[in-house]
This record gives sequence, structure tokens and C-alpha cells, in this order.
Amino acid sequence: KNQVEQSPQSLIILEGKNCTLQCNYTVSPFSNLRWYKQDTGRGPVSLTIMTFSENTKSNGRYTATLDADTKQSSLHITASQLSDSASYICVVSAGSNSGYALNFGKGTSLLVTP
Amino acid sequence: GAVVSQHPSRVICKSGTSVKIECRSLDFQATTMFWYRQFPKKSLMLMATSNEGSKATYEQGVEKDKFLINHASLTLSTLTVTSAHPEDSSFYICSARARGMNSPLHFGNGTRLTVT
Repeated sequence: KNQVEQSPQSLIILEGKNCTLQCNYTVSPFSNLRWYKQDTGRGPVSLTIMTFSENTKSNGRYTATLDADTKQSSLHITASQLSDSASYICVVSAGSNSGYALNFGKGTSLLVTP
Repeated sequence: GAVVSQHPSRVICKSGTSVKIECRSLDFQATTMFWYRQFPKKSLMLMATSNEGSKATYEQGVEKDKFLINHASLTLSTLTVTSAHPEDSSFYICSARARGMNSPLHFGNGTRLTVT
């Protein structure tokens, strides 16, 4: 069973609208959580990294939240642009006794339409 | 920021030939490198993990004799697809990570392999 579940699997929104992507994980012990953006035909690019003590982190129009108690993270995109169309991947790193193993979600495919 | 360079970005080869893909970390020492395969509109599939100076660890179902991985230095890993067949056509991506608990994972831009 995948230890990182992302939802929704895909999403279509109108340009200018906001959206929120979810990432739930069971990875334990937890080290950190990263959100990546992958444009079609390109490698993923890091958006944010969240450690245990961080609740919110912003990167421009992207805001990530983390609730380490419920093991949930969200990525909120504000005032979406056509260029936000991409796959968004949540990656959770386990702790030292798991060799800092990386656990990938299957991604959320976002399409922003005019 | 840290950069991972993957080369070539596209390659077309004939069935039966071998293809080598390079992954370089340009400004950090990559103690661990990962190789992924990705089909259209699908998620990344981890193929193997390689630590510098040691043999790669392959995921279940990945043929190690088919996909040869070498991580001979802290800045270079290579993936060689041997005796390529059309079903090997895919998007291959590498990523690299330095030593340390919170070391970020940096991805290359991928290689589109087409086997004719």
C-alpha cells in the first residue's frame, strides 16, 4: 500500500481561480515533506519543503500546509495561471531509522483552462 | 540552486542497440542517485537507487541486466538501456540527493527514448 496518497487524481479549473491539492501520508517516522511541480516532458521542480515543526510555507502563489498530527498536507494555488497546468507530486521523507527513504505520491494532474 | 543535468534530452535508436543516459550533479556531491521511468500521463516509477561507489539497488520487476546503472563518482550516474526494444520507449528521469537528513531531491529534465 502506498504510504503517500494524493487527491484529487486530476483537476480542471478556470484561469484565475484558486485550488487546493491534498496529500495524506502514513510514513513514520517523518522527516520532511516536499511538493514538486512537473511540467509535461520535464523533470519535477521543488516548490516547498516542510519539516515537522512547520505548519505553513509559501512560495509565490503556492502555499503549502502541514499537519503532522493528522499526517496531512495541502498545496494551495492562488489566482491560477495557464502555466500552472502540470502534475504536482508530494514526496515524504522518512526518518533516519528508515534511511531517509523517499515515498512518492502518484501526483495530481492540474489543468488550468482559459 | 542545485542543478542536475541529464543528457541526452531525446534519443532515437534502433531495436537491438544500447543507449546510455547520463545524469550529472553540477554543484553538489550526489551521494545517492535515483532513476525513474514515466509513461505518458502516469506517475514516476522508481527503477533503481544507486549510492556512489556501490551497486545499484533495483526495484522489483526491473531487470538489472537490461538497465545497467553505474554511479562511479559523486557527480555522475549513468543508465544504459541494453539491447533496446520498442517497449523500452519511455521517458527516463534521474534525480540526485546529497548526504544529509534534509537534503533536497533534485531532478534532471528527463530523456525521451524512442526505440524504432
